[in-house]
Amino acid sequence: EDQVTQSPEALRLQEGESSSLNCSYTVSGLRGLFWYRQDPGKGPEFLFTLYSAGEEKEKERLKATLTKKESFLHITAPKPEDSATYLCAVRSNQAGTALIFGKGTTLSVSS
Amino acid sequence: DGGITQSPKYLFRKEGQNVTLSCEQNLNHDAMYWYRQDPGQGLRLIYYSQIVNDFQKGDIAEGYSVSREKKESFPLTVTSAQKNPTAFYLCASIGGKKLFFGSGTQLSVL
Repeated sequence: EDQVTQSPEALRLQEGESSSLNCSYTVSGLRGLFWYRQDPGKGPEFLFTLYSAGEEKEKERLKATLTKKESFLHITAPKPEDSATYLCAVRSNQAGTALIFGKGTTLSVSS
Repeated sequence: DGGITQSPKYLFRKEGQNVTLSCEQNLNHDAMYWYRQDPGQGLRLIYYSQIVNDFQKGDIAEGYSVSREKKESFPLTVTSAQKNPTAFYLCASIGGKKLFFGSGTQLSVL
């Protein structure tokens, strides 16, 4: 069965304190790993898609990396506006076009 | 602007009542999805539709029904058989291998 696990559940950082969020997955044939950002009461906003081990994508203070078993979302020198829930999802051969989501990591950045 | 519109933003259901959540997209996407989100939980797939007049059950379809009569529209009905309907409901469509989401509907029970 396809499965996505995110850790930690919650993360508190001081402004400028870099850290990483983890997404480990077990899928029957990875067809893409996705990162989304979700603000309270809103729909998830697309950040990155990664397709193969070794691939990296960057956007402002965020950098996503992928290995054969997990993905990391690195946050460099975060600001309070980076506070949100970050969701990881995978598409597998078994799931068809639907995405399977982890439970998310809620990030709080204080000034 | 192109996007996915969900309405209403907030919805209240009385016991025994069926309610319908609206989802409209003008992105010309073929596939559309409904997810349910509970606090501290990931998004769980309710139903999805790859093409007009066709749809498939997701992981938690019991107590829900959908229709896909038009490419642009994919309404979700929460029936009285769904005993725990309080949740945040998200509609999505896929284009360019990315899943795009609407702004969600918060359903609560009176």
